[in-house]
Amino acid sequence: DSGVTQTPKHLITATGQRVTLRCSPRSGDLSVYWYQQSLDQGLQFLIQYYNGEERAKGNILERFSAQQFPDLHSELNLSSLELGDSALYFCASSVQSGANVLTFGAGSRLTVL
Amino acid sequence: GQSLEQPSEVTAVEGAIVQINCTYQTSGFYGLSWYQQHDGGAPTFLSYNALDGLEETGRFSSFLSRSDSYGYLLLQELQMKDSASYFCAGGDSNYQLIWGAGTKLIIKP
Repeated sequence: DSGVTQTPKHLITATGQRVTLRCSPRSGDLSVYWYQQSLDQGLQFLIQYYNGEERAKGNILERFSAQQFPDLHSELNLSSLELGDSALYFCASSVQSGANVLTFGAGSRLTVL
Repeated sequence: GQSLEQPSEVTAVEGAIVQINCTYQTSGFYGLSWYQQHDGGAPTFLSYNALDGLEETGRFSSFLSRSDSYGYLLLQELQMKDSASYFCAGGDSNYQLIWGAGTKLIIKP
């Protein structure tokens, strides 16, 4: 157990739908990162929050949004889902904002049918 | 642009030594990290080099040469459980991690 908790572990939904993925960072970590990993692909950075504020944005689609709450948990919202959104979504956390050492959660596997 | 290049696949024999290379082009580069990911699993941190030289952690070692924009991960006494994908990641001037595409390590008995 890495200390980073992601829910749900698996999610199957239909095109056009909206889902919310949740992440609780490791205790003491202020920074949360979201990554997307499609089958046999690398990690695509989506967005980062630090202590409740957006710190960096990667290749995140406009249909996707995220936020970090006062208790530091974060949610990634995916809307108007397309088949190509099927992927593993990882949350990672770190103590600082510019960290080289990230602790990843187990991921949420999203399947869009 | 900023990028890290690593081989897509490397094959080695159980018990042997394998080196996975990573070359990078990033502005304001400030360190190189390595992560391991088993199929269907989460990436886990292996090693970090802030300065030039070799860092050793058990069977794994990581090396960085900033003047050559190059680093590598060395795995010794390979075990079947080392079969995984290995990612290098470098910090850029905005203190964000730029990731390589990953190297799939295949180990044969």
